[in-house]
Amino acid sequence: DAGITQSPRHKVTETGTPVTLRCHQTENHRYMYWYRQDPGHGLRLIHYSYGVKDTDKGEVSDGYSVSRSKTEDFLLTLESATSSQTSVYFCAISEGTVISPLHFGNGTRLTVT
Amino acid sequence: LAKTTQPISMDSYEGQEVNITCSHNNIATNDYITWYQQFPSQGPRFIIQGYKTKVTNEVASLFIPADRKSSTLSLPRVSLSDTAVYYCLVGDRAGGYQKVTFGTGTKLQVIP
Repeated sequence: DAGITQSPRHKVTETGTPVTLRCHQTENHRYMYWYRQDPGHGLRLIHYSYGVKDTDKGEVSDGYSVSRSKTEDFLLTLESATSSQTSVYFCAISEGTVISPLHFGNGTRLTVT
Repeated sequence: LAKTTQPISMDSYEGQEVNITCSHNNIATNDYITWYQQFPSQGPRFIIQGYKTKVTNEVASLFIPADRKSSTLSLPRVSLSDTAVYYCLVGDRAGGYQKVTFGTGTKLQVIP
């Protein structure tokens, strides 16, 4: 399995507090992604990165920011958490070639109360 | 973006072959077809991918007709451990997966 570690695995936080989720990879892959998964919606892309300090928005980026200061780390920040951001968050990586698959971490379950 | 349509759910008995079909009528020339499997509380896991005809690995087979407007994931002799959600992805991945969307997948329930 691809070396992807998400932390924390579970978090409960209160509305209005900042939250940062971390994704760490040991594969030296160029591309990193943050998805959220909610019942009835499948996986939706929040933000992605195509290199150190190179990031862009996905389809559900409002309320989220990201940073990638090193190849191996991709951080997702909720500046002021809301109940609508209660979800399971998955990090994924890919090499970026046409045939390279997407590898996922095991997710972070975030509950905003 | 190539949109995909899959059955929402399927049931199968242990030991049977399961075929899950995905429709992707507006697939583009550069698009590959990829299938993922997701167990509860885990991230999706890559199963198989292909561009045309047939691809087989130790886990599954992928059948793609000449017009590439659909694809079929075939799981031989399923067991209870194959109970999962299966996603079909279609898209141009040159430069990453940001242009590839996940649907809601097919929930496969294997029955003893």
